[in-house]
Amino acid sequence: QVQLQESGPGLMKPSETMSLTCTVSGGSINRSTYSWGWIRQPPGKGLEWIGNIYYNGTTYSNPSLKSRVTISVDTSKSQFSLILTSVTAADTAVYYCARLKVSGWSNFDSWGQGTLVIVSS
Amino acid sequence: DIQMTQSPSSLSASVGDRVTITCQASQDIYNFLNWYQQKPGKAPKLMIYDASNLETGVPSRFSGSGSGTDFTFTISSLQPEDIATYYCQQYDDLFTFGGGTKVEIK
Repeated sequence: QVQLQESGPGLMKPSETMSLTCTVSGGSINRSTYSWGWIRQPPGKGLEWIGNIYYNGTTYSNPSLKSRVTISVDTSKSQFSLILTSVTAADTAVYYCARLKVSGWSNFDSWGQGTLVIVSS
Repeated sequence: DIQMTQSPSSLSASVGDRVTITCQASQDIYNFLNWYQQKPGKAPKLMIYDASNLETGVPSRFSGSGSGTDFTFTISSLQPEDIATYYCQQYDDLFTFGGGTKVEIK
């Protein structure tokens, strides 16, 4: 069974660049039937999709974040990453990485446990 | 952008009650709608995909229905372990989650 594990900085200062990594184990990251994505959840609030990267390298991002988001994949390490530039307190959230099933239908069928990132001066 | 509106935002029901949550899309999303359960401190878990298909391993007391703009998520007989927040999510145009419905025991 596939497992995902996020890793990240924990605490950041405003204007810094956030870099998160998701390590995938128990399954191949290099399959056309899956895409890999990031979702976040501010404390006490709902879920917000950030973006996804597909097998062919195509990425899609939330229009509200698009100018600040970069998603990439390193198949040799079975990892994919999120870069979010110019962070502010509004970016404080639990960040989840997730697998998106894309064969026929689309759903986030496997999730990491989440990593809390706090942006504070 | 497609907006997803869930209601109610919270509800309190007794064990054994039938619980219904609704989700409305701002435009026709066909059946491109999933439902997730999130327990406190945990990652969301897929419950229903494509509006009405039960994910493997999910108890049969959970169900989903609807198409177009109006969708329903039902727990036929609420159990203590169902206490959680439930989210709908569309995938017709990128991905958008509803605001969530917190389910509590009365």
